[in-house]
Amino acid sequence: QKEVEQDPGPLSVPEGAIVSLNCTYSNSAFQYFMWYRQYSRKGPELLMYTYSSGNKEDGRFTAQVDKSSKYISLFIRDSQPSDSATYLCAMSDGTASKLTFGTGTRLQVTL
Amino acid sequence: SQTIHQWPATLVQPVGSPLSLECTVEGTSNPNLYWYRQAAGRGLQLLFYSVGIGQISSEVPQNLSASRPQDRQFILSSKKLLLSDSGFYLCAWSVRGGGYEQYFGPGTRLTVT
Repeated sequence: QKEVEQDPGPLSVPEGAIVSLNCTYSNSAFQYFMWYRQYSRKGPELLMYTYSSGNKEDGRFTAQVDKSSKYISLFIRDSQPSDSATYLCAMSDGTASKLTFGTGTRLQVTL
Repeated sequence: SQTIHQWPATLVQPVGSPLSLECTVEGTSNPNLYWYRQAAGRGLQLLFYSVGIGQISSEVPQNLSASRPQDRQFILSSKKLLLSDSGFYLCAWSVRGGGYEQYFGPGTRLTVT
């Protein structure tokens, strides 16, 4: 079993839809969580990070962490074609300078 | 602001040839530095990370090596490339002693023929 599981997609939604992207993890020591967006043939770009359970909002993006269920989510409101990319979750247990990544979910927002 | 550079952007090399990929970070001091490889459908594989000059930790046994000759310079090398070394190589940095977020460079796409 992988430490971090992420549905690879692709996930196709119409413009304006609310998108929910999710990761589950097995290591209860993970306590720092990040979401990255990666456009095709580009490096990942940090979207959001959160160090606690609950919700964190930034514009159209909301990151949600449920440590009791070992489940994190990224919500995108009013999705745009420019949101079409692969979204990677990442997490750390804080004991080393390393992150564990999910394999990414490919999102396509259609006109 | 901080900037991370990688070069070359793309590279096509024959099997058995040497490799040198370079990464430099600007606008920060004493960063942690990382090399990743991303293969299609397999996510990000951490290859090496460094918490200081000359301090390199290897995550995966392979024919690649890394060096950090200067504080903000990280080099990935190979003496003889294999076909399996093809992939998208990403350099990243994070604040030493700070948060856990990592910031990625633009990547180098390597094709070994």
